[in-house]
Amino acid sequence: AQSVTQLGSHVSVSEGALVLLRCNYSSSVPPYLFWYVQYPNQGLQLLLKYTTGATLVKGINGFEAEFKKSETSFHLTKPSAHMSDAAEYFCAVSPYNDYKLSFGAGTTVTVRA
Amino acid sequence: EAGVAQSPRYKIIEKRQSVAFWCNPISGHATLYWYQQILGQGPKLLIQFQNNGVVDDSQLPKDRFSAERLKGVDSTLKIQPAKLEDSAVYLCASSLDGTAYNEQFFGPGTRLTVL
Repeated sequence: AQSVTQLGSHVSVSEGALVLLRCNYSSSVPPYLFWYVQYPNQGLQLLLKYTTGATLVKGINGFEAEFKKSETSFHLTKPSAHMSDAAEYFCAVSPYNDYKLSFGAGTTVTVRA
Repeated sequence: EAGVAQSPRYKIIEKRQSVAFWCNPISGHATLYWYQQILGQGPKLLIQFQNNGVVDDSQLPKDRFSAERLKGVDSTLKIQPAKLEDSAVYLCASSLDGTAYNEQFFGPGTRLTVL
């Protein structure tokens, strides 16, 4: 079974500051890990994913995430927040051998000018 | 390419009424998913189709929910009768082949309010 815990339902950052969204997972088999972004009244859009290989994954819009197996974590970061980063972010996990996504509860990011 | 289309975008009904949602996936995508997203929670998979066959419907409340994908293209999700706890956004997604190497593309969703 797979599950995801996102620490912090709301994160507020200043424009230009570091964005850090935390995600911890549990999985009975090697996981594939994903981050999605959801803007108001829109569907989810894939930011990045980890399947195999390099544990530091770069995605769209300047985001990156690092898979740390020992910590069962897949935290999302962006060095400098932009106003357009205001959205809800979801971490998701699927078993490596069965592409079924289990989502976390989401973290809403607000960006202060 | 055109994205995943869903209609209606919003629906308000009273409990015990019936409602249907429609999804048109990206052309050529064999796999189609329906998710339920309750306010404050992440999306939860209801049903997955591969072409016009059901791959997984283990989380679908079959006493009131039904879904079909005729001809392996469009899909309809129906709720009959609706309950208050069905208030949620219903998201449709599609992918090329259902593997993790091909992204799931999501539609904008249908927001259902049950009064």
